[in-house]
Amino acid sequence: EDKVVQSPLSLVVHEGDTVTLNCSYEVTNFRSLLWYKQEKKAPTFLFMLTSSGIEKKSGRLSSILDKKELFSILNITATQTGDSAVYLCAVEGMDRGSTLGRLYFGRGTQLTVWP
Amino acid sequence: DAGITQSPRYKITETGRQVTLMCHQTWSHSYMFWYRQDLGHGLRLIYYSAAADITDKGEVPDGYVVSRSKTENFPLTLESATRSQTSVYFCASKGLPGDTQYFGPGTRLTVL
Repeated sequence: EDKVVQSPLSLVVHEGDTVTLNCSYEVTNFRSLLWYKQEKKAPTFLFMLTSSGIEKKSGRLSSILDKKELFSILNITATQTGDSAVYLCAVEGMDRGSTLGRLYFGRGTQLTVWP
Repeated sequence: DAGITQSPRYKITETGRQVTLMCHQTWSHSYMFWYRQDLGHGLRLIYYSAAADITDKGEVPDGYVVSRSKTENFPLTLESATRSQTSVYFCASKGLPGDTQYFGPGTRLTVL
C-alpha cells in the first residue's frame, strides 16, 4: 500500500534556528514530490521535486529529493514566527492504466517557532 | 475574482440529511479533486476528475457522490450524512498532469 511518512510529527524551535523536516515514501510509479505549507487554512504550494539531487530554493526554504533512497527533506534556515505552520509532504503516483497522477499526503509536521 | 472557491465555508447538518459542497474554479483546469482532512489522517483523496463527465474514486469514496457536468464545477454530495463525515473538505484543481494542485479555502462540515 502506498504511503508517505513525515517526521518529526511536531517540532518546537526558537527564532533563528534551522530546521530539517523529513519525508519518506513508498508510492507506485512515482511522478513527483510536493511540499505544502498549511496555516489553519488551505495548503499553499512550496515546491515540486521530480529529479534527484537538484535543490529547489525559495528564500530561507530549500528542498531536495533522493529517488534512490525514497525521501525528501525540507530545510528552513533562520526560522521566524511566521514559519509556524503544518508542513505537508505529498507524493504523486500514477495508477496503472491511468494518465492521472494521484497525490498521497503525509500527516504533516507541526512546526512552532517561538520568538 | 479568479481562483478556486468553495461554498459553503461552514456547514452544520444532521445525520441522514443530504449535503452538497460546491467547488468552482475559474482557471479552466481539467483536473479537479476532493479531499477530506482529519486529525491523525492528514489529507485523503475522496474523488477526482480528469475532465467534464470523467470522475474516479480516490482512497475514501464511500458515502460520497460527485458529478462534473461543467469543467469549472465539481460538487461533492453526501447522500446521507454520518457523524464520521465530520471533517474539513478541500477542493483542488490543476491544469496539466505535471502541474501542482492548487487548493480551495476549505469547507468545515459538522454532522450532528
